[in-house]
Amino acid sequence: QQQVKQSPQSLIVQKGGISIINCAYENTAFDYFPWYQQFPGKGPALLIAIRPDVSEKKEGRFTISFNKSAKQFSLHIMDSQPGDSATYFCAASRTGGTSYGKLTFGQGTILTVHP
Amino acid sequence: GEEVAQTPKHLVRGEGQKAKLYCAPIKGHSYVFWYQQVLKNEFKFLISFQNENVFDETGMPKERFSAKCLPNSPCSLEIQATKLEDSAVYFCASSQFRTTEAFFGQGTRLTVV
Repeated sequence: QQQVKQSPQSLIVQKGGISIINCAYENTAFDYFPWYQQFPGKGPALLIAIRPDVSEKKEGRFTISFNKSAKQFSLHIMDSQPGDSATYFCAASRTGGTSYGKLTFGQGTILTVHP
Repeated sequence: GEEVAQTPKHLVRGEGQKAKLYCAPIKGHSYVFWYQQVLKNEFKFLISFQNENVFDETGMPKERFSAKCLPNSPCSLEIQATKLEDSAVYFCASSQFRTTEAFFGQGTRLTVV
């Protein structure tokens, strides 16, 4: 019920290409869906987040697509750059109730962008 | 401060020893969260606080783990009698309100030998 499943586990993309990472969740009470970027030895940093009242959100080269009926959301990185090489985590949480704010993370995707 | 500060960065303990980790949330943030990240990148929620009050401790292994957030002091996570399986990176995060972005610290890498 609390799981968030993320795929693929790893992804290799050429510079300038599009990176796509997918996540699926089970708990329909989740109402906040952030994506985090993590570099080795660093903490996760928020990239972009979406709430279920919209189907898409774009910030620069990063876009979240959200499908509420399918309980799926995805991250698209346009014009991928070598500096985007990192581990990406999707997450989900509730903004109400006693477990609000507690992030349930996906398993992570190691993205490598070749020059 | 403007960032979540975690200390120490690295901690090595022998099995059975105590480990204590510290987290100073961003000034003005009322909510603090602790997560454990194990080698396969998996994040596990441990506990959350609203100011000095425990908000959600459903992830805490209570027999050996404890945590506190006291006024005017860094929050702390203490592990009594560490086990090899406690080896992980422990992250602290803070947020201003219940519905806003959580900012993560750089983590404390705990190695139990």
